[in-house]
Amino acid sequence: AQSVTQLDSQVPVFEEAPVELRCNYSSSVSVYLFWYVQYPNQGLQLLLKYLSGSTLVKGINGFEAEFNKSQTSFHLRKPSVHISDTAEYFCAVSEYGGSNYKLTFGKGTLLTVNP
Amino acid sequence: SQTIHQWPATLVQPVGSPLSLECTVEGTSNPNLYWYRQAAGRGLQLLFYSVGIGQISSEVPQNLSASRPQDRQFILSSKKLLLSDSGFYLCAWTQGRGQPQHFGDGTRLSIL
Repeated sequence: AQSVTQLDSQVPVFEEAPVELRCNYSSSVSVYLFWYVQYPNQGLQLLLKYLSGSTLVKGINGFEAEFNKSQTSFHLRKPSVHISDTAEYFCAVSEYGGSNYKLTFGKGTLLTVNP
Repeated sequence: SQTIHQWPATLVQPVGSPLSLECTVEGTSNPNLYWYRQAAGRGLQLLFYSVGIGQISSEVPQNLSASRPQDRQFILSSKKLLLSDSGFYLCAWTQGRGQPQHFGDGTRLSIL
């Protein structure tokens, strides 16, 4: 069965600093990977996705993530954060093939950007 | 383009009352549909998913049920709400395996 671990429950940073939100997954087969962002009292918005191809994936709002198969990781990065990036971020995984229609989510990382 | 609508945005209900939350998707056909619950400070818990009309898979035994009476309509129900049913309920859809899920704006349910 697939699982996702987000290593940090909270990440405080200062405005214009770089940030990395860590995500590791566990699966016995190949996977699709996703990062979502959730602002207070809103639904989840897709930031980026890795389905195949280049391991460096660029998403919206200046975020990018790198798929590392050997380390089973999919860390999210942004070189310079803004106050408006304050939100909860969720990593999710879905397995290739079979009859699995589900995403498995991590528990989330709360990113707080301070002035 | 595809859109997902979820209502109401907020709901306050007394313990023991019934519940009906509705979710509809526009601009696509035969989507996979999902209901999640998000408790305060916690991640997402998958409650139900559906791959077609009348097909419901339950992930967690509980006080809730789901139905899919039409291709793009997904309903979450309860006959008698419990205090533990409080939370943020999210509906989502996807076109198939490997595709990202797209979420509605959620319903904040408070049980008094």
